[in-house]
Amino acid sequence: KNEVEQSPQNLTAQEGEFITINCSYSVGISALHWLQQHPGGGIVSLFMLSSGKKKHGRLIATINIQEKHSSLHITASHPRDSAVYICAVEGGGSNYKLTFGKGTLLTVNP
Amino acid sequence: NAGVMQNPRHLVRRRGQEARLRCSPVKGHSHVYWYRQLPEEGLKFMVYLQKENIIDESGMPKERFSAEFPKEGPSILRIQQVVRGDSAAYFCASSPTTGMGEKLFFGSGTQLSVL
Repeated sequence: KNEVEQSPQNLTAQEGEFITINCSYSVGISALHWLQQHPGGGIVSLFMLSSGKKKHGRLIATINIQEKHSSLHITASHPRDSAVYICAVEGGGSNYKLTFGKGTLLTVNP
Repeated sequence: NAGVMQNPRHLVRRRGQEARLRCSPVKGHSHVYWYRQLPEEGLKFMVYLQKENIIDESGMPKERFSAEFPKEGPSILRIQQVVRGDSAAYFCASSPTTGMGEKLFFGSGTQLSVL
């Protein structure tokens, strides 16, 4: 069974700070997803990656397959980035049977 | 293009009642998945459906829970005789295929509260 650990559980930052959220998993995977969940709202898929690095706007996601570790970075953080960020891994070649981390609650203060 | 639509957003039931949660996938998506998010826990896979077929229900409790995705209309997750432990956020997602790394589109969830 794959375990997914995220750190930190909670993170408070000031607007403009560089944010890093970490995700570690225990067994081999085929892909890793980063999701964003706003308070009381839905879930948005931010990235899917199986190697290397991806960038979208101020968000950057990296993965190191050998070390079984991924990071999500937010540059120039903004209060609207406040949300729960969830790491999820897929194994077995299908996209839906994900193992999810418990999430990192990010609060960005103005 | 509308995303995944779930309703109701909030559902309150008393113990022993039935709860029906609805999910309309993204137009053109034929694969629907249900996930449950218990308080203080991560999301957990429940069931995967295609039109008129349950493909994988390995994450769904064996009793009181059922799901369907009829030829016409939304997918329904049904919980009979609800108990307090069923209180959770239930999310539906859809995708055009189930290939490795295929992006999932999530709905806004239904928050079920059992009194």
